[in-house]
Amino acid sequence: GQQLNQSPQSMFIQEGEDVSMNCTSSSIFNTWLWYKQEPGEGPVLLIALYKAGELTSNGRLTAQFGITRKDSFLNISASIPSDVGIYFCAGHPNAGGTSYGKLTFGQGTILTVHP
Amino acid sequence: ETGVTQTPRHLVMGMTNKKSLKCEQHLGHNAMYWYKQSAKKPLELMFVYNFKEQTENNSVPSRFSPECPNSSHLFLHLHTLQPEDSALYLCASSLGGTSGGADTQYFGPGTRLTVL
Repeated sequence: GQQLNQSPQSMFIQEGEDVSMNCTSSSIFNTWLWYKQEPGEGPVLLIALYKAGELTSNGRLTAQFGITRKDSFLNISASIPSDVGIYFCAGHPNAGGTSYGKLTFGQGTILTVHP
Repeated sequence: ETGVTQTPRHLVMGMTNKKSLKCEQHLGHNAMYWYKQSAKKPLELMFVYNFKEQTENNSVPSRFSPECPNSSHLFLHLHTLQPEDSALYLCASSLGGTSGGADTQYFGPGTRLTVL
């Protein structure tokens, strides 16, 4: 089946630093989503990308849909303690048929921010 | 608050028990999902309901039985579970559609299940 490789698995950074994480796929995805999950909660959508090459921002967060459609990147600028959590990428091939809603998730990046 | 609620938030059950997880969405969506989240593993899609029709059963053992009586409610009936079924079970909803694409999915807070 389809797999997403997300890296790094974890990051320990100082407050104020910038953060980058990425996901790569062995096959093409036509939708990329980035979620954040905090302890005791479900994932919350941060950014959705629907077009190859698209660059979208949400506050201090910026995500890009790779030109090859096999990767995506998430950057967080000037990190703050509340950025702590697990960040997941998710992709969908938009392949038609009965594939509606069948997202593939990455393994997650655990982010720790030291004040 | 994402508009998707799940009850109970925590559940401890024995292997011979029967229990049910409940999910309710207040977003007017037509697609609902069950996911399993285990430690150090990606989220695993279990079931998809699109306009109340089950469109995906991702090789889930029959000891997990979903039910979707209407577009706002989704249940996961559990019986004779195994300790390895202990995990966080997440419900999600999205607009729903027939295009084979993927709308944004909104997740509930999950039910933390422990099987003894």
